[in-house]
Amino acid sequence: EVQLVESGGGLVQPGGSLRLSCVASGFTFSGYAMSWVRQAPGKGLEWVSTISATDGSTYYADSVKGRFTISRDNSKSTVYLQMNSLRAEDTALYYCAKARQLLWIHDALDIWGQGTMVTVSS
Amino acid sequence: DIQMTQSPSTLSASVGDRVTITCRASQTFSNWLAWYQQKPGKAPKLLIYKASSLESGVPSRFSGSGSGTEFTLTISSLHPDDFATYYCQQYSSYSPYTFGQGTKLEIK
Repeated sequence: EVQLVESGGGLVQPGGSLRLSCVASGFTFSGYAMSWVRQAPGKGLEWVSTISATDGSTYYADSVKGRFTISRDNSKSTVYLQMNSLRAEDTALYYCAKARQLLWIHDALDIWGQGTMVTVSS
Repeated sequence: DIQMTQSPSTLSASVGDRVTITCRASQTFSNWLAWYQQKPGKAPKLLIYKASSLESGVPSRFSGSGSGTEFTLTISSLHPDDFATYYCQQYSSYSPYTFGQGTKLEIK
């Protein structure tokens, strides 16, 4: 079964850091670009970041650029999101998601995890 | 950046109705447009990719069309399971990916 399982969310103070993890199973992880998408409580979806499968190219939303870093460890079938200088407006459910096609970077997202909640509050 | 505007924000309809949701882009781009369905407490589900291609396993009552700056998602005959929130997303290579603000499909 193709599956993505996120972890690492929690309560953090403004200015703090958190690292999210997403473990993949059921597909050849190293062949697919991976993304993070977030959803603030009661709000819509916001794309956060994408990492390619091939050369590790990374892409970020302007709202997180310079504060968040996406990375991947293909040996562990895991994608990470390092979040620094967190703000109240980063409070959201963070989903990881898989690109639909092998080796494509810019692609629809066909498999999603269930999300991990990040709350930034003092 | 390409901005995506969905309409309507809320849509009330009945089982068996044909419904259409529209997504307009702030600038033209190739048909790198996806539609997702999200139910409360659940992750989004991919329905349509590349503007009009039906994802495997998605019922054929769902269809997508459009090009340039205007795209539509049509449900030909609403089933009870279709009441959810729908999002469009552009995934063009020359702009950060953006989602529409969502359309909540409610039972009339």
